[in-house]
Amino acid sequence: DAGVTQSPTHLIKTRGQQVTLRCSPKSGHDTVSWYQQALGQGPQFIFQYYEEEERQRGNFPDRFSGHQFPNYSSELNVNALLLGDSALYLCASSKASDGYEKLFFGSGTQLSVL
Amino acid sequence: QQQVKQSPQSLIVQKGGISIINCAYENTAFDYFPWYQQFPGKGPALLIAIRPDVSEKKEGRFTISFNKSAKQFSLHIMDSQPGDSATYFCAASIGRGPGKLIFGQGTTLQVKP
Repeated sequence: DAGVTQSPTHLIKTRGQQVTLRCSPKSGHDTVSWYQQALGQGPQFIFQYYEEEERQRGNFPDRFSGHQFPNYSSELNVNALLLGDSALYLCASSKASDGYEKLFFGSGTQLSVL
Repeated sequence: QQQVKQSPQSLIVQKGGISIINCAYENTAFDYFPWYQQFPGKGPALLIAIRPDVSEKKEGRFTISFNKSAKQFSLHIMDSQPGDSATYFCAASIGRGPGKLIFGQGTTLQVKP
């Protein structure tokens, strides 16, 4: 059983560009959360998707948007990239009824903005 | 009020020693306190978690101590091994989830052979 898979693993963009990151949740999971982890920092919650809707959002600007598909996979879109958006972007999946005891993180997408 | 403050930033321990990492929080609504372990190139993985109705939880070599009145909790790693070398994050949330986890800044642990 594959765990949480994210693509791509690494990405280099320039300021002002747009980027799309993808996440496939663990089999049986229906909830996807996205986190941003800056170098040397803890992950910061961006938003969470359940039943194809954004259910909760952290303190991130509207440049960060997302989507969840009927198969529970998810995308994170970032527009008008800034240098400060350089970070590891983590996707985490869970089953809504299980809670955090069964929250699984992917290995992340390392985004570099030049 | 949403912050979780973690210390120390880095820690070096000899093999067989005890590693202790501390966290403090302000929001008294937090009621779920997990610890995550992250190896380079990997995402965080749940190590152990506690709810505030107990003061201690032990799983193998890993123990969480919780002090509700002081709003602090700590991770103790007994008999630390080189394979424990990783970055450790405390976190907090309201409810078991799903929802958002508030993470500490992380502690990089190095266990010397």
